[in-house]
Amino acid sequence: SQQGEEDPQALSIQEGENATMNCSYKTSINNLQWYRQNSGRGLVHLILIRSNEREKHSGRLRVTLDTSKKSSSLLITASRAADTASYFCATSGYSTLTFGKGTMLLVSP
Amino acid sequence: EAQVTQNPRYLITVTGKKLTVTCSQNMNHEYMSWYRQDPGLGLRQIYYSMNVEVTDKGDVPEGYKVSRKEKRNFPLILESPSPNQTSLYFCASSFSTESYGYTFGSGTRLTVV
Repeated sequence: SQQGEEDPQALSIQEGENATMNCSYKTSINNLQWYRQNSGRGLVHLILIRSNEREKHSGRLRVTLDTSKKSSSLLITASRAADTASYFCATSGYSTLTFGKGTMLLVSP
Repeated sequence: EAQVTQNPRYLITVTGKKLTVTCSQNMNHEYMSWYRQDPGLGLRQIYYSMNVEVTDKGDVPEGYKVSRKEKRNFPLILESPSPNQTSLYFCASSFSTESYGYTFGSGTRLTVV
């Protein structure tokens, strides 16, 4: 069952701009995670935010979580061409991690 | 280096010929899982394992088998592959699903003709 849904499906920006991706989910969660995937490669874990946290930072990444709205956002500041990838949110329940379909981010030089 | 190793990276096979995709992790993770990734459908979980000898079905288990005889290994078995199992497969592992992120393997691109 698909839990998270990312929005937008695709995003195209210039280097130096900020990129914001959103994720909505349906049921209660233990935590929410964001992953990056470069074309056809394995997913890389970026950041995890627990259900009792509202905001978390890691380098140029900022994640927010609103459990009342069942939504999260990932902000990448000062984007670089190397940030071009697909980004997935994943919600963690008791025994599994369920992924959304992802946002494709294109950062042009 | 901490990693999840999948083999093979690429595989082309014929319908009905049994195959095994291996997955091994060197991080002493208790939790391991298999996903398939298809265009427009995202990642869907096939099977997962909470520990040795403990496995359970994910969202799309039909046509697949798994075993967890040792903590480090979690092979995915397709006893009679069909063309609709053509996909990109990922193995992942974690200390737990509640507080840790997953480490993913590099993927196995399977084509069944």
